[in-house]
Amino acid sequence: DADVTQTPRNRITKTGKRIMLECSQTKGHDRMYWYRQDPGLGLRLIYYSFDVKDINKGEISDGYSVSRQAQAKFSLSLESAIPNQTALYFCATSDGGFSQLFFGSGTQLSVL
Amino acid sequence: AQSVSQHNHHVILSEAASLELGCNYSYGGTVNLFWYVQYPGQHLQLLLKYFSGDPLVKGIKGFEAEFIKSKFSFNLRKPSVQWSDTAEYFCAVNPISSGSARQLTFGSGTQLTVLP
Repeated sequence: DADVTQTPRNRITKTGKRIMLECSQTKGHDRMYWYRQDPGLGLRLIYYSFDVKDINKGEISDGYSVSRQAQAKFSLSLESAIPNQTALYFCATSDGGFSQLFFGSGTQLSVL
Repeated sequence: AQSVSQHNHHVILSEAASLELGCNYSYGGTVNLFWYVQYPGQHLQLLLKYFSGDPLVKGIKGFEAEFIKSKFSFNLRKPSVQWSDTAEYFCAVNPISSGSARQLTFGSGTQLTVLP
């Protein structure tokens, strides 16, 4: 089983719809992150959480919200999806020492 | 805010050619440095990392990187590439502030295509 699991793997939605991307991990890490990947732009941080009660905005948080339901679960919501939110979304985890990031397999989101 | 620059957007090499991918960052303090690789259709995986000590770091699959502090660079190298090295490569920098690691900043990535 994957250590960092993202659902769904692919999603097509329409402009204005609310959508939630989910991430769960079995690594026991406190820190979790949401990134989006766009061609030519690399990965950009949307939100991150260092524990259940700690949520922080990243570089591009506008239009997104998150929920850290438990140590192992960190979900990303698009309240009203727009086409420029079409991207590949990655969840990641790290330990407190930040030795490295461990990534999920990604969610390809298309907003029509 | 710190930035990470990868000047080569797409590199095309033949098998057995040598590889060097550039990475420069703008943060003036202590940093942790990483190279990640993303094979087609897969998630990012750690290739190698530098925290301290010997500035020449060896990673998986024959890759290595050299940290040159004076040049704010962390270039990735491999003496002889293989077709299976075709992937996108990302440099990432983690500034260390007050002894604590902050969030990671990624470069825009370099797509490497190795021709058989």
